[in-house]
Amino acid sequence: NAGVTQTPKFRVLKTGQSMTLLCAQDMNHEYMYWYRQDPGMGLRLIHYSVGEGTTAKGEVPDGYNVSRLKKQNFLLGLESAAPSQTSVYFCASSSRANTDTQYFGPGTRLTVL
Amino acid sequence: RKEVEQDPGPFNVPEGATVAFNCTYSNSASQSFFWYRQDCRKEPKLLMSVYSSGNEDGRFTAQLNRASQYISLLIRDSKLSDSATYLCVVKPINDMRFGAGTRLTVKP
Repeated sequence: NAGVTQTPKFRVLKTGQSMTLLCAQDMNHEYMYWYRQDPGMGLRLIHYSVGEGTTAKGEVPDGYNVSRLKKQNFLLGLESAAPSQTSVYFCASSSRANTDTQYFGPGTRLTVL
Repeated sequence: RKEVEQDPGPFNVPEGATVAFNCTYSNSASQSFFWYRQDCRKEPKLLMSVYSSGNEDGRFTAQLNRASQYISLLIRDSKLSDSATYLCVVKPINDMRFGAGTRLTVKP
């Protein structure tokens, strides 16, 4: 049982390049989330999805787009990467929003030069 | 002001010590509360949920004070394996708000 997986694990981009981070979960969870974690800031929610085909903005959505075409996958896109997007990105999923545990993927370390 | 505030530490304690972490939150509409643990360069993992009546899981005790908008975590008989960063998490509705974490190092 893989749980939540993320690809890639590491990536270095140049300013202005684009990329997509993939999150996959095999727990049949309805809810999925993308966070970024920066030193001293804690995890901040970028976007989330409450079901297949739906997405919503979180706390820090600017510069990112997401898609949830399949229930098990949640994609995070950076159209034009900026150095301020250098961070560790975590994906998470939960069966429901309010009281259920969120299960996190191992993270993607992104550096934008 | 951050929505969820924690003392960043670090807390350096000897094995067997009792240590307490505090967390305050600003959104009075928050409905659910958790403590997560995060090891260095790893993903966060749920340690325990926090209930209004207080709850205990082995050596760990969590308390919630809604009136003061305050959450605490008490660790008794600290083990070396407790060394980690402890994240206070507050859920208003659909999303979660994380504190920046309190770092704990337990030394022999």
